[in-house]
Amino acid sequence: AQSVTQPDIHITVSEGASLELRCNYSYGATPYLFWYVQSPGQGLQLLLKYFSGDTLVQGIKGFEAEFKRSQSSFNLRKPSVHWSDAAEYVCADLNSGGRNYKLTFGKGTLLTVNP
Amino acid sequence: SAVISQKPSRDICQRGTSLTIQCQVDSQVTMMFWYRQQPGQSLTLIATANQGSEATYESGFVIDKFPISRPNLTFSTLTVSNMSPEDSSIYLCSVYITEAFFGQGTRLTVV
Repeated sequence: AQSVTQPDIHITVSEGASLELRCNYSYGATPYLFWYVQSPGQGLQLLLKYFSGDTLVQGIKGFEAEFKRSQSSFNLRKPSVHWSDAAEYVCADLNSGGRNYKLTFGKGTLLTVNP
Repeated sequence: SAVISQKPSRDICQRGTSLTIQCQVDSQVTMMFWYRQQPGQSLTLIATANQGSEATYESGFVIDKFPISRPNLTFSTLTVSNMSPEDSSIYLCSVYITEAFFGQGTRLTVV
């Protein structure tokens, strides 16, 4: 069965430090991968997505992610974290087989940013 | 893109009662999805709702507990029936149009 793993439940970084959030997927010759940010009262906001092509994708808010097929990974990065980046980050994989566009989500990584 | 209006945003309900959550999309879509996020768990798909046919439920979810209506291409409801404290979760509706769009979620607490 399709699964998405986010090994880190909670990460704390200092403001201005770099950030990398890990995501591993388990299914699909051609995964469709997403990173979302979930803030209280804000719902899920798409940061970036990977379907094909360049394995380094740029997203909003200065985030980027790199798809590595050999490692089944799609890690999210940001060179310098801002206090406003504190939120829950969720990785997802789309099962687009047939007509069934179902997302499988990781459990999320809670990011705390220290001043 | 799509804008999804979901309501209620939160509710506190007595065990044994039912709650119906509404989801309105600003464009016509074939499939709408209902997800649940239990505390500390990942978002999990409950069912896929197609207009004009019965919803397709994922393993572990049944129609008697989570009946879904899809009367047209812009609207759907999810009912959480005969609630217990274990049903306390965030419920989200979603559509997929080149990417997934989500409602703001319904935070349900069952007491």
